[in-house]
Amino acid sequence: DGGITQSPKYLFRKEGQNVTLSCEQNLNHDAMYWYRQDPGQGLRLIYYSQIVNDFQKGDIAEGYSVSREKKESFPLTVTSAQKNPTAFYLCASSTGLAGARYEQYFGPGTRLTVT
Amino acid sequence: DAKTTQPTSMDCAEGRAANLPCNHSTISGNEYVYWYRQIHSQGPQYIIHGLKNNETNEMASLIITEDRKSSTLILPHATLRDTAVYYCIVRNQGGKLIFGQGTELSVKP
Repeated sequence: DGGITQSPKYLFRKEGQNVTLSCEQNLNHDAMYWYRQDPGQGLRLIYYSQIVNDFQKGDIAEGYSVSREKKESFPLTVTSAQKNPTAFYLCASSTGLAGARYEQYFGPGTRLTVT
Repeated sequence: DAKTTQPTSMDCAEGRAANLPCNHSTISGNEYVYWYRQIHSQGPQYIIHGLKNNETNEMASLIITEDRKSSTLILPHATLRDTAVYYCIVRNQGGKLIFGQGTELSVKP
């Protein structure tokens, strides 16, 4: 089945530790995205990547880092510099940024809790 | 991208039509209206999008006013599974999706 997988579904970390969230897609999509969602809020864009080996900061990139070494994979690292890392993290992909049909496919999300 | 305004929450009886409004008074000529929904603790799901004309697909209908300053998403026969947060988003062809707080739709038996 084609789709986006994120693992793990729940993740717990101690404050001060870096943690990497996994995102894999087999849809052959060029563009991939990371969003953060806090309770009762909409999604906020952290980073996005249009092609392999290229990525841009979104609206709230501070304290996060990404890599895009393969088309299928776009891991997100939440560093110890992120002041409020506890949140629901969503990965998405699309065929590209341009074009009228701009359907983003979302993964199931990873709920990160940092104590 | 243009800002959208949606009611915080709405109720709908099961089997009835759910009409979700969205205001986007600052929309410009090349910006599309998109609707996504998010069931609790899941990733958002694309529903429909449009530019000027009304659109319909297997999930919903999108009615855009002639001046394009507002739109309505219609779920013709709401079911309990349609309970979700519905996001109205306006973007141009090169822009990114910007999610607001959306409308929390509760479908009740």
